[in-house]
Amino acid sequence: EIVLTQSPGTLSLSPGERAALSCRASQSVSSSYLAWYQQKPGQAPRLLIYGASSRATGIPDRFSGSGSGTDFTLTISRLEPEDFAVYYCQQYGSSPPEFTFGPGTKVDIK
Amino acid sequence: QVQLQQSGPGLVKPSQTLSLTCAISGDSVSTNTVAWNWIRQSPSRGLEWLGRTYYRSEWYNDYAVSVKSRVTINPDTSKNQFSLHMNSVTPEDTAVYFCARVSSSNYGLDVWGQGTTVIVSS
Repeated sequence: EIVLTQSPGTLSLSPGERAALSCRASQSVSSSYLAWYQQKPGQAPRLLIYGASSRATGIPDRFSGSGSGTDFTLTISRLEPEDFAVYYCQQYGSSPPEFTFGPGTKVDIK
Repeated sequence: QVQLQQSGPGLVKPSQTLSLTCAISGDSVSTNTVAWNWIRQSPSRGLEWLGRTYYRSEWYNDYAVSVKSRVTINPDTSKNQFSLHMNSVTPEDTAVYFCARVSSSNYGLDVWGQGTTVIVSS
């Protein structure tokens, strides 16, 4: 089973600042199968990025994803007030079929 | 616009069976380019994928190893929905349960249900 680790656990930033969130996998992950989600309190996760770097429908271009192998990054270029939330990375493995999630990074207001 | 609407009890007694349903609108449970999933979230376990059902000329299911012996996911084509059944529940199964769609073109969970809080307690 592939284990995903996210850092930092909490990121305290001000609106307008840039956020860089890290996701590391215990073994190599296909870029095609790496996704990022945003979750706000009381809501379901929302897909932001799939295939490591493709934005999902309706996602603003201030969100970008990069990386390959075991190291992936979600970047928010300029934080808007609505971006303060918890962010999760997720990978899909095919043998056996499984989706695994990282523990999350909370982005809160400094 | 695809939407998923969850239903089911919020309280289940230990050792009994947890049953939830996810009704689909704007798509079909039989669409052969997507899969229909159940995921749960708790403070102790985080986001945990439970399993999926999907149609590719016939029906298939995959389950997480951790729950495989206790979980069944069934499609219902007549009602365009799918269900989760988890037997022999314990307080450790207390969580928010979500249904979600994944597309085989991108493997992102792109549509989610609203979530159902399930408490396992006597």
